[in-house]
Amino acid sequence: DAGVTQSPTHLIKTRGQQVTLRCSPKSGHDTVSWYQQALGQGPQFIFQYYEEEERQRGNFPDRFSGHQFPNYSSELNVNALLLGDSALYLCASSAGSGNQPQHFGDGTRLSIL
Amino acid sequence: GESVGLHLPTLSVQEGDNSIINCAYSNSASDYFIWYKQESGKGPQFIIDIRSNMDKRQGQRVTVLLNKTVKHLSLQIAATQPGDSAVYFCAEKTSYDKVIFGPGTSLSVIP
Repeated sequence: DAGVTQSPTHLIKTRGQQVTLRCSPKSGHDTVSWYQQALGQGPQFIFQYYEEEERQRGNFPDRFSGHQFPNYSSELNVNALLLGDSALYLCASSAGSGNQPQHFGDGTRLSIL
Repeated sequence: GESVGLHLPTLSVQEGDNSIINCAYSNSASDYFIWYKQESGKGPQFIIDIRSNMDKRQGQRVTVLLNKTVKHLSLQIAATQPGDSAVYFCAEKTSYDKVIFGPGTSLSVIP
């Protein structure tokens, strides 16, 4: 049973560029959340997708956008990259709403030069 | 605002001893709490959770205690092993699946 998978594992971009990160949820999960984790800090919630719609959003600018596909996989897009966007981007999946634990992938390490 | 914090950024324990990692949360409306373990280069791994209608929950070698009066959460690890060395995060769920993480406690196990 495959867990949450993310691609790519590492990515290097320059300021002003755009990036797309991808996530496949754990089998049986239909809800995907994205987090940004800066070095030495806890993950910060970006947004959550359920039934192909953004259901919740954290305190992130509109440069951060996402999408969920009918097969529940998801993409995170970041436009006009800033140096401060360098971080580990984590995807987590869960089964529906309610008090269910989220399962995380190992993340995409994004470096902005 | 919403926040979850941890009392100690680092904790060192002797192998075989019990570990206690503490966490304070600020949102009284939070109804679900989770402990995660994160090893270097990996994503957070679910350890144990507890709902707000419970005070204590036990797993394999781990126990989570919830004190809603003082908004305090703790994780107890029995007979700590070298493989337990990692960063531990407490997290609270406030609505839907929006999960707020604390800054983490780095646990080091001394052989």
